[in-house]
Formats: sequence, C-alpha cells, structure tokens
Amino acid sequence: QKEVEQNSGPLSVPEGAIASLNCTYSDRGSQSFFWYRQYSGKSPELIMSIYSNGDKEDGRFTAQLNKASQYVSLLIRDSQPSDSATYLCALLGGKLSFGAGTTVTVRA
Amino acid sequence: EAGVAQSPRYKIIEKRQSVAFWCNPISGHATLYWYQQILGQGPKLLIQFQNNGVVDDSQLPKDRFSAERLKGVDSTLKIQPAKLEDSAVYLCASSPKVQGDYYNEQFFGPGTRLTVL
Repeated sequence: QKEVEQNSGPLSVPEGAIASLNCTYSDRGSQSFFWYRQYSGKSPELIMSIYSNGDKEDGRFTAQLNKASQYVSLLIRDSQPSDSATYLCALLGGKLSFGAGTTVTVRA
Repeated sequence: EAGVAQSPRYKIIEKRQSVAFWCNPISGHATLYWYQQILGQGPKLLIQFQNNGVVDDSQLPKDRFSAERLKGVDSTLKIQPAKLEDSAVYLCASSPKVQGDYYNEQFFGPGTRLTVL
C-alpha cells in the first residue's frame, strides 16, 4: 500500500459546483496534513493545512481530517476555472510524503 | 518577502554527463529540501537539511546524486553521471521550522526541469 493515495481523477466539475477530493494514508503516526495546488508547469503551492480531527475552512476551501479512518479530504466550493489544477495531498510523518495528485478541471 | 530561488530553470544534457542545480531558500528558513518530481507523480523527497546538517537522505541515490548546504543557506544538488530516468523536475523547498516541528509548512521554488537525452 502506498503511503498516500488519492482518487485517481481526472475530476471534471462544472463552474459553480463543489469539487471533492479524497486522500487516504497508511502512517497512523502522521501529525500534519496539507493540500497543495500545482498548476501545470508550476511548483506546488500550499493552500490548506490541518492538524486535528474535524473541518477547517478557508474561503472556498474546506479540509476535513479523520485520523481514526486515516483520511483527509478537500472540498472546493463554487469552483472556478482558475481552480483547474492538480491537487496534491501531503502528510508529515517522519518526512513529508506526497500523493500522486488529482487533476481537477472546472468547465465554464 | 522573496521566495525560494532556483537555477537554472531548464537543463538539457546527454546521459552520462553531470549537472548541478542551485537553490537559495527564503531568508531565515532553517530547513531546506530537495525533491524529485517525475511527470504524473507527486514530489519525492531526496534530501533534507536542517541548517547545514543532513536530516534525511534515505531516498537519495548516493551512487550518482550528491548535495551540500554550505553555511546553512544556499544548497547545490549534483547528478553525476546522469541517466535517462533522472529526467524530472527538481524542486527545492524551505521551511522556517525544524525537524519534528508539528507545523512544518514548506514553500517551494519554481523548480528546474531536467531532460536527459
């Protein structure tokens, strides 16, 4: 089992809809969880961090963490064409480990 | 605040040649990371420095890759000799936090795209 697994995608959503991204992980000792956005040809950019169980909201983004079930998710509300990118889930155990990413396309 | 700087942005070499990448982290950041990102995959950590000491180099192919961070600031990553499978984007990141710190948010540079022919 990979350390970090994300839904394979690509995910296509209409403008204004909610995009839902999921990530599961194997290391129960992981303490910190991050979502990075990566536009094509660009470097990853941190958009959300979450450290305790529950929801964390920041603008149109909501991260959800459930350590017992070992998953973390990201919701993007009111999706915009500018949200079209690859979203990387990352978690900090001994080192920062990344998933392969889910590519999101927002259709105008 | 200036971001993480990397150079060159692009490099094309032939297999068996050597190449070096440079990274200047955000001022004051104690921790510096080098990642390899192959197309379609997430970044993979190659080496982590805290100040000028190595914290983790478990995934660095030491027979061909080397890295140093002199004076705890700039860093260079070298590949010698390069193989076809080294074609990737090499990302440098820095963090103000130290190893074991709970809130280890990392900031990435623009990356160097390496093509090995």
